[in-house]
Amino acid sequence: RKEVEQDPGPFNVPEGATVAFNCTYSNSASQSFFWYRQDCRKEPKLLMSVYSSGNEDGRFTAQLNRASQYISLLIRDSKLSDSATYLCVVNKLEQAGTALIFGKGTTLSVSS
Amino acid sequence: GAVVSQHPSWVICKSGTSVKIECRSLDFQATTMFWYRQFPKQSLMLMATSNEGSKATYEQGVEKDKFLINHASLTLSTLTVTSAHPEDSSFYICSASSWVPGGIQYFGAGTRLSVL
Repeated sequence: RKEVEQDPGPFNVPEGATVAFNCTYSNSASQSFFWYRQDCRKEPKLLMSVYSSGNEDGRFTAQLNRASQYISLLIRDSKLSDSATYLCVVNKLEQAGTALIFGKGTTLSVSS
Repeated sequence: GAVVSQHPSWVICKSGTSVKIECRSLDFQATTMFWYRQFPKQSLMLMATSNEGSKATYEQGVEKDKFLINHASLTLSTLTVTSAHPEDSSFYICSASSWVPGGIQYFGAGTRLSVL
């Protein structure tokens, strides 16, 4: 099983749509979870951390299910500028501040 | 927010030459820096973990004699690709973190290496 698995997509949605991405991870000892966004030929940028209780940042909602080792990201009211690759990321060891393991990413394309 | 500067952003070199990439944390002390590599349509893959003042820890399959890492200060880590070959052409990205809860890392803008 891969350490972090994501559906690569692409997800092609119209503006205003709601889209959800899912991710599973293999290391049950992981403690830190993130969603990063990566634009073409650019470095990844932190979108949001993911907490056990679930957290929301504007149009973005992240959920974590430790029992199922499953992470999700929900984007509401999609904008053209949301088009990017979304990376599910977990820390490598059970300590904060350690290296990150990246999923391959899910590509989102929002069209007008 | 924290800023990590990576230089150069793009380099083209001949096969057999060595290339040095610098990664600097501009407004915080980075106790740990990480070096990743990303091939087209692939995920970022961790190459090595670098702690200030100690030897880097390399991931399995990464040749430490080929990818030399130096982390001489809390704000600077360098990656030198020695005797580069076309198969080393890739996108190299560094990240830095200080010891803060949550383990957030800040990424450099990356270096695109093309070896002819």
